[in-house]
Formats: sequence, structure tokens, C-alpha cells
Amino acid sequence: DQQVKQNSPSLSVQEGRISILNCDYTNSMFDYFLWYKKYPAEGPTFLISISSIKDKNEDGRFTVFLNKSAKHLSLHIVPSQPGDSAVYFCAAKGVSGNQFYFGTGTSLTVIP
Amino acid sequence: DTGVSQDPRHKITKRGQNVTFRCDPISEHNRLYWYRQTLGQGPEFLTYFQNEAQLEKSRLLSDRFSAERPKGSFSTLEIQRTEQGDSAMYLCASSFQVQETQYFGPGTRLLVL
Repeated sequence: DQQVKQNSPSLSVQEGRISILNCDYTNSMFDYFLWYKKYPAEGPTFLISISSIKDKNEDGRFTVFLNKSAKHLSLHIVPSQPGDSAVYFCAAKGVSGNQFYFGTGTSLTVIP
Repeated sequence: DTGVSQDPRHKITKRGQNVTFRCDPISEHNRLYWYRQTLGQGPEFLTYFQNEAQLEKSRLLSDRFSAERPKGSFSTLEIQRTEQGDSAMYLCASSFQVQETQYFGPGTRLLVL
């Protein structure tokens, strides 16, 4: 049972444009969300997080939006750069839980 | 480098053999996690330690899998009698208790022939 879903396996964006990666979750008890970036043959690298008390968090070119009523979060990358090309995973954790549940990832390609 | 490290990075073994992986977390982190990732999937939780205590295990962690963190620092994950279905990337992550973010190591890629 996939509690965190990333329905777009891949996304291509022109350099300088905005990349929007989406993530949906089913468990209303999730209260903390993370985005990770992963290059081939490496472990996931933490990008940005958001807790359920917020609906937006920014860090440089990266902004995460959380819509609790829709159980949806998105990661915006502006402007996109070729070095952003990687697989992006969203992850979610419940109030009392210790494990993160990961989506299946979206492969982003930024075209120079 | 003060990040999470894992050893070995790659392991090829024959079915039925035992393998052991090591994870060294970020030094001040008291929480340590093991995940498994297969092709096309996100990381799946296996088990979690707080200091030396193993506090949670996934049902994915069969009896052939055992994890230890004897002194609350490094951890080992052993797989006994490996099967071809065990082929995956095994990821270790650590976090500090009052923080939520988990920081991952580079992973150990296991191939069971």
C-alpha cells in the first residue's frame, strides 16, 4: 500500500524555467515532509522540509508547498539548472512514527 | 568528511551466503535507520535504532535479517542465507533526536547471484 505517491516518473524542463514536482499522500496523520535529491550510485541528499503547521517553505531556488486538505505537496525549483537533473523523492512521516514513507521518485532532466 | 558512511559500497555474493554491511552515522546523531531500495522504488524502511536500542522493525525485515548497534555508534546489517530477491541498494541514514531530517549514506549495492 503506497502511502506516498509520485505519479510522474519523469519530467523535462528547459534550463532557466520552473520545475514543479508533485507528491500526494493518503495518510492524514503525516505531519512532516521532506524532499530528497538522488544522483545515480549515491544516497539521497536532503533538500528541503516542511511541517504540517506551514503551507510553504523556501530555501534559495527551492520552495515546497503543502496543501493539507488535498494531501498534496509540491517542490518548485526556480530557475532550473542542468545540475538539478536527478531523481527527486518526497517522503512523509506521522506524528508518532519514526519511519519515513517514500514516494517512487520523479526523474528530472533539465535541458541546457 | 563528517557525513554518513557505508561499507562496502558494492557486494556481489552467491545465493545462500551471508553478508554483513556497516554504517557509520554522523557522530552526534543518536538515531540510525536502515532502508532498502529496489529499482524504480523509493527507499523502504527496514529498522531503526535510538542509541543502541533497536526500537522498530519493518515486516520487510525477515528472520534472515539482523541489525545491531552495539555501542550506539556504528551499526551492522547482516543478511543470512541470501536470496536473489535480496538484491537491492541498502541505505543507512541518521538523525539527531530533536530534529526530524534523516541524512543518508551512499548505500551498499548488493547483488545476489
